[in-house]
Amino acid sequence: AQKVTQAQTEISVVEKEDVTLDCVYETRDTTYYLFWYKQPPSGELVFLIRRNSFDEQNEISGRYSWNFQKSTSSFNFTITASQVVDSAVYFCALISGGGADGLTFGKGTHLIIQP
Amino acid sequence: NAGVTQTPKFRVLKTGQSMTLLCAQDMNHEYMYWYRQDPGMGLRLIHYSVGEGTTAKGEVPDGYNVSRLKKQNFLLGLESAAPSQTSVYFCASSYSSQRSYNEQFFGPGTRLTVL
Repeated sequence: AQKVTQAQTEISVVEKEDVTLDCVYETRDTTYYLFWYKQPPSGELVFLIRRNSFDEQNEISGRYSWNFQKSTSSFNFTITASQVVDSAVYFCALISGGGADGLTFGKGTHLIIQP
Repeated sequence: NAGVTQTPKFRVLKTGQSMTLLCAQDMNHEYMYWYRQDPGMGLRLIHYSVGEGTTAKGEVPDGYNVSRLKKQNFLLGLESAAPSQTSVYFCASSYSSQRSYNEQFFGPGTRLTVL
């Protein structure tokens, strides 16, 4: 069985602070893919990043960065110099070939950036 | 290029009524999915399809049926609605294959209330 745990239900920081969202996953498959999605207050789901299990390189995209560590089964997401527009619910998700072909989502982290 | 569209956007049903949610995508994707989102639960997979004429059960399929008669459309049916089916329903599509899972593109969601 697959599982994604986002232990932080809600995080509140002041604008310009750095913030890290944690994601821990479980799967028995050796080939799998990890994703992060953003859900702003308007409700749509916005794709942020995809990473496969064979690529442990960290990635940076502007103020966003991701740290993938297979040794600890974690795929954490950091926002540097946070902005009010970053306020949203962020979901970590997992998919692999061993189970259903849909994504297994974490319960999400509600990020609040205060001005 | 509309991406993934969902009809209707909102619906209120009475217990026992039936309805069909329509999802359409214009990206020629093989894979399509239906998820439901409940407060504090993240998104959970209801049913999915890996191609025209094929469907499969996800994590929470009970009370729902689906059909994929055309590649671009994926229908989700509720035969006898129950209050427990009050949720936001998201459709998604992707160009994944059995060997590689790419990002899923999500529709805007359908907010369903069952009284």
